[in-house]
Parts: sequence; structure tokens; C-alpha cells
Amino acid sequence: EVQLVESGGGLVQPGGSLRLSCAASGFTFSSYWMHWVRQAPGKGLVWVSRINSDGSSTSYADSVKGRFTISRDNAKNTLYLQMNSLRAEDTAVYYCARAHNYYYYYYMDVWGKGTTVTVSS
Amino acid sequence: EIVMTQSPATLSVSPGERATLSCRASQSVSSNLAWYQQKPGQAPRLLIYGASTRATGIPARFSGSGSGTEFTLTISSLQSEDFAVYYCQQYNNWWTFGQGTKVEIK
Repeated sequence: EVQLVESGGGLVQPGGSLRLSCAASGFTFSSYWMHWVRQAPGKGLVWVSRINSDGSSTSYADSVKGRFTISRDNAKNTLYLQMNSLRAEDTAVYYCARAHNYYYYYYMDVWGKGTTVTVSS
Repeated sequence: EIVMTQSPATLSVSPGERATLSCRASQSVSSNLAWYQQKPGQAPRLLIYGASTRATGIPARFSGSGSGTEFTLTISSLQSEDFAVYYCQQYNNWWTFGQGTKVEIK
């Protein structure tokens, strides 16, 4: 069974740091781009970041650029999101999602259940 | 950034009726459009990709259409499990989501 399981969320003070993990199983992790998507309480989905299959290329939403770093360890089948200088507006459920290559365009076909990040003093 | 606009924000439908959800892109996204279903406390679930191709395991009552800037998700006969929030997403140029349409029981 294809599965993504996020962890690492929690309560952190403004200005603090947190590292999220996403453990993948049931598919060849090293063959897929991966994404992080977040959802603030009661709000919609917002794309945060993506990484290509070997980790050599990354992209970020403007709202997190310079503060968040996406990475992966293909030997451990794990995706990461290092979040620094956290702000109250970063409070959200963070989902990892697998990217499916469809004619060189990448949609998100498998999602984890999410991990909750709360930034508050 | 490509802005995705969904309408209506809320759709009240009786079980067994047809539901039609709209999604408009601020510029052409070709057919690089996906639809997701999200129930409270759950992760999004892929329904449609390529504007009109159903994902694996998705019932035939879900159909997608459109290209360019105008897209539609149709649920032909609403079942109880279909009451949820639906998001469109373009993946033609980066990734952006619409604000969602909540399908509620009338």
C-alpha cells in the first residue's frame, strides 16, 4: 500500500524552528518528486515547496522562501521540511504529497494525513 | 501567479441530485488541472487529473471537463459520502489551488 506519514509537528514560539518528516512506503520513493502543502485552520490548501527526485532541485512559495528548506533522504525514504524563523501565519496542518509525472507536468496523487504546526507564544 | 477561482463557495444539494462545480484560471493552464475532495479532518483525495481523467478508484459519477481557463466538476448523483469540500488545482505553472467549494446537504 502506498503511504505517506508525516511527523514532527507541534507547538513552537514565534521565531523558533521545527523539522517535519514524511516517511514514504509502498512505492519507489527515489523516483518521485515530492511536495509540501499546508492548510491554515479553516482555510484552503496552499502549496509550500517541492523537490525533484534526486534532491538536486527545489522550489518554494514566496511566503516561505529563505525560511524553509525542503530536502530528502532517498536511502531512508524520507522527505523533510526544515522550518526556521516561524511566524504565527505559518500555523497550519502540513501535508506531504507525492507528485505524479503526467506528460512532464506534475500533479499530486498521494497525500499523507498531515501534521499540525502551531506557532504561538 | 495563476489565480484559481471556484464557484459557488457553497452548494446545497439533495442526495441523488446533480452537482456542478466551476473553476476558473486567471490565465490558460491547458488541461493541467486537478480536482481534490477533502472531508473534515482528512487529507485531500485526488479525484480528477488532466482536467477529465478520473484517478484510480474514483466512481464514474465524478466527471471533469474543460480546458484553458474554464473547468467543471460534475457529480451526477450525489451520495451521502460526497458531501465535502472540493478544490481545483492548476499544475501548469507552479501549483495553485482554488479556495474550495463546500457541497452540503440541502
